[in-house]
Amino acid sequence: KQEVTQIPAALSVPEGENLVLNCSFTDSAIYNLQWFRQDPGKGLTSLLLIQSSQREQTSGRLNASLDKSSGRSTLYIAASQPGDSATYLCAVNPESGNNRKLIWGLGTSLAVNP
Amino acid sequence: EAGVVQSPRYKIIEKKQPVAFWCNPISGHNTLYWYRQNLGQGPELLIRYENEEAVDDSQLPKDRFSAERLKGVDSTLKIQPAELGDSAVYLCASSPLWGGGNTEAFFGQGTRLTVV
Repeated sequence: KQEVTQIPAALSVPEGENLVLNCSFTDSAIYNLQWFRQDPGKGLTSLLLIQSSQREQTSGRLNASLDKSSGRSTLYIAASQPGDSATYLCAVNPESGNNRKLIWGLGTSLAVNP
Repeated sequence: EAGVVQSPRYKIIEKKQPVAFWCNPISGHNTLYWYRQNLGQGPELLIRYENEEAVDDSQLPKDRFSAERLKGVDSTLKIQPAELGDSAVYLCASSPLWGGGNTEAFFGQGTRLTVV
């Protein structure tokens, strides 16, 4: 059974720091992995999607990496800003079969302090 | 291009009353999901549609929850009767058809339900 874990559960950093959020999964047979951002009381915003054949994806100050064999993904945020404060969730898509639902971590709550 | 649209944004109802949520997915997206999210938790899939067919409803509490996507576009999720434990955020998401290889999911703003 696929399980997704995110560490740390919460993180508080001063503005300008580079930071790394971690996501690990127990079954390396995944189709892709997606990182989302969620602001309080809001829906989820897709940040990056990495296919199983890819090693990383970049969007602006965000870089997500994937090491399928070790069951890990990291989200790197460069030069953090107060506006980056939110909860970041990762979710994996199983590789095949009818079980095509996203398996979610519990998220990392990030606070970037001015 | 409009994203996933959900309504209402907020709903407060008394227990035992019915409630319905509406979702309009991104145009051209064949797959539609309904999720429930409790505070501090990740989203929990309730039902997934491929076009108008419900292909995964294993976690939908069918005694009180129902959903439909009659024309394969917009969808409604209904709870009748609502219970206190149903208070949560209900999220709708859509993605292109699985077979096309692109499964990136896009979410609506959600409906925050409070049952009192």
